[in-house]
Amino acid sequence: DAGITQSPRYKITETGRQVTLMCHQTWSHSYMFWYRQDLGHGLRLIYYSAAADITDKGEVPDGYVVSRSKTENFPLTLESATRSQTSVYFCASSAAGGQPQHFGDGTRLSIL
Amino acid sequence: GNSVTQMEGPVTLSEEAFLTINCTYTATGYPSLFWYVQYPGEGLQLLLKATKADDKGSNKGFEATYRKETTSFHLEKGSVQVSDSAVYFCAPSHNNAGNMLTFGGGTRLMVKP
Repeated sequence: DAGITQSPRYKITETGRQVTLMCHQTWSHSYMFWYRQDLGHGLRLIYYSAAADITDKGEVPDGYVVSRSKTENFPLTLESATRSQTSVYFCASSAAGGQPQHFGDGTRLSIL
Repeated sequence: GNSVTQMEGPVTLSEEAFLTINCTYTATGYPSLFWYVQYPGEGLQLLLKATKADDKGSNKGFEATYRKETTSFHLEKGSVQVSDSAVYFCAPSHNNAGNMLTFGGGTRLMVKP
């Protein structure tokens, strides 16, 4: 089905572990984004990508790594998870500047 | 960079009441403006948008007008329903910086029957 999908939907891991959140979109949108949503902070941009092999930092990039080898995929990796990274993570994509972003259903990540 | 101020919630209304959620923003240039809605347990969905001054975005009975002179994009609905209960986010875009959105903190709307 066309759309944007995130996996897993739920993840529990321990501090210090590496964890990768996956995001896949079928629209061939140029732009992709990762946000985290926390109570009291709304949505904050972690990283974004304007095209394959082009990524840039957002507001809160520390502790995260992204890659974009293919247009349709934009994985987010926490190299050494910390409790402060417990959050709900949303991936989004958009076709071009000024166009709406389309969001996935989110990944709820808990770090113990 | 851009910033957004939304009225704090929760906003609690009775069914069929009139809704206004205020949103003001600061931005460089002429951003596009969006309202997104998030239902419990789901991602954000685009509710409406406006791309230039005096444009009115509308969808599902919701409306918002791009007011450049007051840098505002207030969301309104004439008669809310219980199914409108959700969190609403105002977001201007950075048209010259990767199409990023800056989100307000969100306003939770609760509609009682």
